[in-house]
Amino acid sequence: NAGVMQNPRHLVRRRGQEARLRCSPMKGHSHVYWYRQLPEEGLKFMVYLQKENIIDESGMPKERFSAEFPKEGPSILRIQQVVRGDSAAYFCASSPGQGTNTIYFGEGSWLTVV
Amino acid sequence: QKEVEQNSGPLSVPEGAIASLNCTYSDRVSQSFFWYRQYSGKSPELIMSIYSNGDKEDGRFTAQLNKASQYVSLLIRDSQPSDSATYLCAVYAGNNRKLIWGLGTSLAVNP
Repeated sequence: NAGVMQNPRHLVRRRGQEARLRCSPMKGHSHVYWYRQLPEEGLKFMVYLQKENIIDESGMPKERFSAEFPKEGPSILRIQQVVRGDSAAYFCASSPGQGTNTIYFGEGSWLTVV
Repeated sequence: QKEVEQNSGPLSVPEGAIASLNCTYSDRVSQSFFWYRQYSGKSPELIMSIYSNGDKEDGRFTAQLNKASQYVSLLIRDSQPSDSATYLCAVYAGNNRKLIWGLGTSLAVNP
């Protein structure tokens, strides 16, 4: 499967726990984007990363959220001390970067905080 | 003014009709324009990209771009119930290096 791979697809966490969402971009893609979508709402940009660099994190909440895209391995979105309001679908997308800005989405990770 | 605007709908059309979805954007230097389809509970799926003024056709879908008027539209011919989804317009301006998204238009195709 050459598509954007996200896991887990569904994650349940209790309030105060940590959630880690992983994203492997499409083969040949070096740019990763994370989006959040609350029920019945639009896509909200969170962060844009290239390998080992955060390019734009203007949509990321200042506290409890972090993202990385290491030289090896998937991109990870980490949410510490989750609260009920963090319950949402988290979509990862990737693009080749240079010369194109078309992005392709993974299937998403649905986080439920109980 | 929102950067990318779409009518939220729902837009309701009968099966076999043409569905017309519109999107306006505020940044005149926008370069690339995209339409994505999102089914309920699923991730967005790319339908069309368009970069130059005029029409671009792909099967039943036609994207239309008018940079002077700052709008981009998506026409769906011979609409099918399976086309019922939310259609998202996204615009890339280049200077901020990320796509700007509309909130989407909900389309319902009635059998």
